[in-house]
Amino acid sequence: AQSVTQLGSHVSVSEGALVLLRCNYSSSVPPYLFWYVQYPNQGLQLLLKYTSAATLVKGINGFEAEFKKSETSFHLTKPSAHMSDAAEYFCAVSDNNAGNMLTFGGGTRLMVKP
Amino acid sequence: GAGVSQSPSNKVTEKGKDVELRCDPISGHTALYWYRQSLGQGLEFLIYFQGNSAPDKSGLPSDRFSAERTGGSVSTLTIQRTQQEDSAVYLCASSLDFSGTGEQYFGPGTRLTVT
Repeated sequence: AQSVTQLGSHVSVSEGALVLLRCNYSSSVPPYLFWYVQYPNQGLQLLLKYTSAATLVKGINGFEAEFKKSETSFHLTKPSAHMSDAAEYFCAVSDNNAGNMLTFGGGTRLMVKP
Repeated sequence: GAGVSQSPSNKVTEKGKDVELRCDPISGHTALYWYRQSLGQGLEFLIYFQGNSAPDKSGLPSDRFSAERTGGSVSTLTIQRTQQEDSAVYLCASSLDFSGTGEQYFGPGTRLTVT
């Protein structure tokens, strides 16, 4: 069984500050990992994904994430927060052997202060 | 091109009534997924369809929930005898294929409120 833990249901940063959203996973097989963003009253949009290629993955809007197998982590970062980054972020894992359904973490709501 | 669309966007129903939620996936996408997003349970997988294969129903929370996909395209999620705990946002997603690396494209969701 797979699981995803996102530490911190709410994270607040100042505009221009570093964004760090934490994600740890458990999986019995090499995982595929994803970060999705959800803006208010909208569906989920893919930010980036790790699928066993480069461990440092770059996504849209200046976000990136690093896969660390030894730490079973896939933390999301952005060097400088923008007001438009305020949203809810979900980390997810899929196991191709289990049919590609996504198992999501609980989500982290990012607030950006001016 | 058009993304995943869902209808209705909002649905309010009385406890005990049946509801149908519709999903139109992206044209050409062979895989279709239903998820539920609720305050208490977060985002949960419900069911997926891959081409003409039998669907994986392992995530359906009870036998009041069912889904079908006609002609490998449009899907309908049906909830019978709705309960208040069914109140949630129901999200549909589609992907080009069934590989684990494939991106799932999500629709805007249907917000279901059971009174």
